[in-house]
Amino acid sequence: DTAVSQTPKYLVTQMGNDKSIKCEQNLGHDTMYWYKQDSKKFLKIMFSYNNKELIINETVPNRFSPKSPDKAHLNLHINSLELGDSAVYFCASSKTGDRFEQYFGPGTRLTVT
Amino acid sequence: EDQVTQSPEALRLQEGESSSLNCSYTVSGLRGLFWYRQDPGKGPEFLFTLYSAGEEKEKERLKATLTKKESFLHITAPKPEDSATYLCAVQATGRRALTFGSGTRLQVQP
Repeated sequence: DTAVSQTPKYLVTQMGNDKSIKCEQNLGHDTMYWYKQDSKKFLKIMFSYNNKELIINETVPNRFSPKSPDKAHLNLHINSLELGDSAVYFCASSKTGDRFEQYFGPGTRLTVT
Repeated sequence: EDQVTQSPEALRLQEGESSSLNCSYTVSGLRGLFWYRQDPGKGPEFLFTLYSAGEEKEKERLKATLTKKESFLHITAPKPEDSATYLCAVQATGRRALTFGSGTRLQVQP
């Protein structure tokens, strides 16, 4: 199936730990994104990479570090997790051009205890 | 700053009862307005993109329209399987990121 996939789907961890979330897309897109969906269901952009280059870096604590080893993969590493980091994190991808439709992965629900 | 406001927050319909969802937006220059459907525990699923005022798009029982200030998602004769949260998002000229509204939770009862 052509899609955006994320692992893991669920992540439960304690405050202070370091964790990573992985994303892969096989749609042939060249731009990938990380969004955070809080308890009120707002989706907010965190980062975006285009051809492995960071192009969007919103106001996000520097404990969050994205990495894109190639156009098809985007990872998110979070250091020193805090309670407020609990949310659902979505990866998305799009293709540069006239239409910037973004396709989303299934999400990773992160719970920090 | 780009802003998107969706109303109502929640909507309960009987099967076959048509209605509309509203998305009001403020953006410096609109590149595109997007509608997504999100089911519980899943990622947003792309539905439509609208690029200019007056444009309309249709898919099954859904029809999206766009003016210079708002977009409507019309649902004609909805079925229970149309129950979901519908998200509206805008993309400003020169930006890649989408700015999302908080969504409308639609419940269609049989």
